[in-house]
Amino acid sequence: DAKTTQPTSMDCAEGRAANLPCNHSTISGNEYVYWYRQIHSQGPQYIIHGLKNNETNEMASLIITEDRKSSTLILPHATLRDTAVYYCIVRVGLNAGNMLTFGGGTRLMVKP
Amino acid sequence: GAGVSQSPSNKVTEKGKDVELRCDPISGHTALYWYRQSLGQGLEFLIYFQGNSAPDKSGLPSDRFSAERTGGSVSTLTIQRTQQEDSAVYLCASSFQGNTEAFFGQGTRLTVV
Repeated sequence: DAKTTQPTSMDCAEGRAANLPCNHSTISGNEYVYWYRQIHSQGPQYIIHGLKNNETNEMASLIITEDRKSSTLILPHATLRDTAVYYCIVRVGLNAGNMLTFGGGTRLMVKP
Repeated sequence: GAGVSQSPSNKVTEKGKDVELRCDPISGHTALYWYRQSLGQGLEFLIYFQGNSAPDKSGLPSDRFSAERTGGSVSTLTIQRTQQEDSAVYLCASSFQGNTEAFFGQGTRLTVV
């Protein structure tokens, strides 16, 4: 799986959009971008994933650049409960059956 | 069940003892993963089961660690002769066929004293 690079930490004001970047310059054509988050003392939680088109669900939006070498997770209206470590993961999908490889992630602190 | 269930939620054991950690995946999920997370650290992959295929054991840190999955469902992670450095939260996750989002349990916090 391709390696990802994320900032170690970020701050965001409550109610504002949180934009979390991720670089994956060695991504292959069949690799998906997944985002998970881990709130303190809990197991990781799936957020969203995409291949090349932008994706949106009830939790977040995922913007993937045209060359697919980077992506941004957007939490449109961050709340204090969104304070967590956010992991960007690149993996092969579609029945490849491989495991998730977690890097260091970005520690997002949402402040009042 | 509604989600991935792990037991016990907390385990304190003496150095040198063996421990067994249990994971009940979501019904119908064929892929099962074990990770561990030491205090303040990221997730470390341990082992991966997918259907009837041979498990990927590449993340197991030593031969004191083993895992099995019976009947394609429940999994048990066994740590023999525990050491203090084994203290961590052990997380289990499952997914449908291994190519969709993984759902994690709340973990077992293991403390070796």
